[in-house]
Amino acid sequence: DQQVKQNSPSLSVQEGRISILNCDYTNSMFDYFLWYKKYPAEGPTFLISISSIKDKNEDGRFTVFLNKSAKHLSLHIVPSQPGDSAVYFCAARQGSGAGSYQLTFGKGTKLSVIP
Amino acid sequence: NAGVTQTPKFQVLKTGQSMTLQCAQDMNHNSMYWYRQDPGMGLRLIYYSASEGTTDKGEVPNGYNVSRLNKREFSLRLESAAPSQTSVYFCASSEVLVGSQFFGPGTRLTVL
Repeated sequence: DQQVKQNSPSLSVQEGRISILNCDYTNSMFDYFLWYKKYPAEGPTFLISISSIKDKNEDGRFTVFLNKSAKHLSLHIVPSQPGDSAVYFCAARQGSGAGSYQLTFGKGTKLSVIP
Repeated sequence: NAGVTQTPKFQVLKTGQSMTLQCAQDMNHNSMYWYRQDPGMGLRLIYYSASEGTTDKGEVPNGYNVSRLNKREFSLRLESAAPSQTSVYFCASSEVLVGSQFFGPGTRLTVL
């Protein structure tokens, strides 16, 4: 049972336009949501996050929106740049006791920004 | 400041062989994690260590063992490798109260 779903395996966007990546989740216990970016042959790198008590977080060209009632979040990239071409993973955090937590990842969406 | 380092970068094993993947972080993080990434599957948690001296199973622990050697180092051992363990393995670390994890560059493992 997939608790974090990214239903679009790939997305192509023209340079300068908006990229919107979507993520759905099923577990109400998730308290924090994160987006990671991954280039080929590298480890994922943290991009932006949002607490479950907020509905929007913005960092430069990146904005994450959270709709708790719909259990849906989205990452907006404006304007999109060729360097944004990568795989984007949505992740959700849940406390696992002993002062730590686990992340559950979606399968990723490959974004291609066309010059 | 190297962040999270992993060795080796690549490894080919025969079925039944054993090996240990090494991970070290220099950020003084309490928690460390091992993930595997298979095509079309995202990242799945194998084991994690909330703090030095503790380890716990994640989503896919079968066939693996871990050791939290000290605060910096967290190793993953395959006692008897199987072709199903062919994957890319990522180590990560984090502070307890911070939402993000920092990942190493990965180890690409092939089991023949």
